Amino acid sequence: AQKITQTQPGMFVQEKEAVTLDCTYDTSDPSYGLFWYKQPSSGEMIFLIYQGSYDQQNATEGRYSLNFQKARKSANLVISASQLGDSAMYFCAMKSQGGSEKLVFGKGTKLTVNP
Amino acid sequence: DAGVIQSPRHEVTEMGQEVTLRCKPISGHNSLFWYRQTMMRGLELLIYFNNNVPIDDSGMPEDRFSAKMPNASFSTLKIQPSEPRDSAVYFCASSHRQGANYGYTFGSGTRLTVV
Repeated sequence: AQKITQTQPGMFVQEKEAVTLDCTYDTSDPSYGLFWYKQPSSGEMIFLIYQGSYDQQNATEGRYSLNFQKARKSANLVISASQLGDSAMYFCAMKSQGGSEKLVFGKGTKLTVNP
Repeated sequence: DAGVIQSPRHEVTEMGQEVTLRCKPISGHNSLFWYRQTMMRGLELLIYFNNNVPIDDSGMPEDRFSAKMPNASFSTLKIQPSEPRDSAVYFCASSHRQGANYGYTFGSGTRLTVV
């Protein structure tokens, strides 16, 4: 069974600093995808970044990067130069190749960016 | 591209009433997903369709819940009769490709309150 664990219920960061949000996963499938979504207070789910299990390089999208450590089964999200608008819930999710199209989510981390 | 469109945005209903949530996926997307989000259980997949056919409904909580997708551009999630514990945010999402590499685009959600 697939499982996503986000151990940080809440994180605080000063504006303009970098922050790392942790995510570990468990799957027996060799082929899988890892995703991060942002959910601001308005409620919508916004896709941020994707990492494939066979990708050799860590994914980057603007200020977002994914620190992918396959042997440790971790896929941490790094946000550089934090902005006030980054304050939101962040969800890590995984989908495995073997069968279901189900995207399994972690419980999320609430990030607060302080001025 | 209008995105995934859900209606209504908010619904308040009395216990025992029938509730119908609606979703229009992105044109050309052939997979559609219904999720429920609560504080206690996080994001749970209720059901998903591929090419209008229900593939996995193992997350549907009980017989009071039903979902249909009569065509490629419309889906409904119905709760009859509704109960206070059904109060949650219900998300619809769609995807244009199957496989671990492809995530979803989410709608803005319907916040359901059953009193």
